[in-house]
Amino acid sequence: AQKITQTQPGMFVQEKEAVTLDCTYDTSDQSYGLFWYKQPSSGEMIFLIYQGSYDEQNATEGRYSLNFQKARKSANLVISASQLGDSAMYFCAMREPTAGGGADGLTFGKGTHLIIQP
Amino acid sequence: NAGVTQTPKFRVLKTGQSMTLLCAQDMNHEYMYWYRQDPGMGLRLIHYSVGEGTTAKGEVPDGYNVSRLKKQNFLLGLESAAPSQTSVYFCASTNSGRYQFFGPGTRLTVL
Repeated sequence: AQKITQTQPGMFVQEKEAVTLDCTYDTSDQSYGLFWYKQPSSGEMIFLIYQGSYDEQNATEGRYSLNFQKARKSANLVISASQLGDSAMYFCAMREPTAGGGADGLTFGKGTHLIIQP
Repeated sequence: NAGVTQTPKFRVLKTGQSMTLLCAQDMNHEYMYWYRQDPGMGLRLIHYSVGEGTTAKGEVPDGYNVSRLKKQNFLLGLESAAPSQTSVYFCASTNSGRYQFFGPGTRLTVL
């Protein structure tokens, strides 16, 4: 079973609209972390936002917010007032605790290709 | 600060050749990682390191070896390259479980 599921392979959104990118995850651990990364066409991986499983508030970073619903195991990324420069691949990822503690690697979803139209 | 850098940016190998990818970070991070990204996929963890002199296997370690002789460097080796190792390789580092910073990637083609 996939640990991270992103059900939207591609999305087209009008500029200035809000966007919600879906992410559901599967873990039996109580302590875990959820991440969103942006990958523009240039290829680099840009860290956007982090949510810890014990964080009581939904994470926000500028125009990005994470809609964390623990009981439903979902961690959707919301981009407010989308811009043309938001066009990119977006990846949801999870860190689960192993012997490495905070050093654990991330498990990624397959991504959503977001295209912002003028 | 250069952040996380990777050398080389591009490489073409023939089947059976060997090579080493270098990752360097100047943020004094303890933890470093190697991932690969294949078309239409997210990144998958190859190996990681929790500190100088330590390494551990990730999800897809077969065909790769790693070394962390210095804290700032993490090397990924391919002893006998195969076409299945054609991919984009990313290095990442962190001191915290709350983020990982990635390098720009190395695009490797094995013919």
